[in-house]
Amino acid sequence: DVKVTQSSRYLVKRTGEKVFLECVQDMDHENMFWYRQDPGLGLRLIYFSYDVKMKEKGDIPEGYSVSREKKERFSLILESASTNQTSMYLCASRKVGGPLPYEQYFGPGTRLTVT
Amino acid sequence: RKEVEQDPGPFNVPEGATVAFNCTYSNSASQSFFWYRQDCRKEPKLLMSVYSSGNEDGRFTAQLNRASQYISLLIRDSKLSDSATYLCVVNIYNYGQNFVFGPGTRLSVLP
Repeated sequence: DVKVTQSSRYLVKRTGEKVFLECVQDMDHENMFWYRQDPGLGLRLIYFSYDVKMKEKGDIPEGYSVSREKKERFSLILESASTNQTSMYLCASRKVGGPLPYEQYFGPGTRLTVT
Repeated sequence: RKEVEQDPGPFNVPEGATVAFNCTYSNSASQSFFWYRQDCRKEPKLLMSVYSSGNEDGRFTAQLNRASQYISLLIRDSKLSDSATYLCVVNIYNYGQNFVFGPGTRLSVLP
């Protein structure tokens, strides 16, 4: 069964803290994504990774960085958390190749509150 | 103009009703299209891909009109369990395989 896991369901951090959000997939997928989801704005792409050690900025990368040292793990880093980074963070993975438009599989999300 | 637009709803319909959701996209280079379903406080999950010829999966029918840059989802004989937010998703290959999500349309099926 397809599985994407995220390290925490709920996280509370203080302004200025460095925050690590971890995502692991067990499907050997090449692509991985980090989104944030806010009411009325939908899902917005922060970063995505084609494959190991490869990354590309999404629509809202400011204040975030990522790391993909192993194929199954994609980390999102908030270098200095701010209150406007309070949000639901969703990780996803996707297989590439073949004629079909492969779907993304999402993790359960991490609800981050920055106080 | 947003890249993917949807009527936010909410759509409140009685059980058994037929309901249709619309989605428009602005980038003509868009290559693949999906409908995702997101239950309250849960992650999005794929409902169905949308193919050029249109496709059906049980009570759900998806249509694509490339000329008008328009996607639709029709739900027939709606059930209480269909209550969720439905996300229109477009994959734009030119943008490095980005997926662009619409803001979602909320559906409540009432007994």
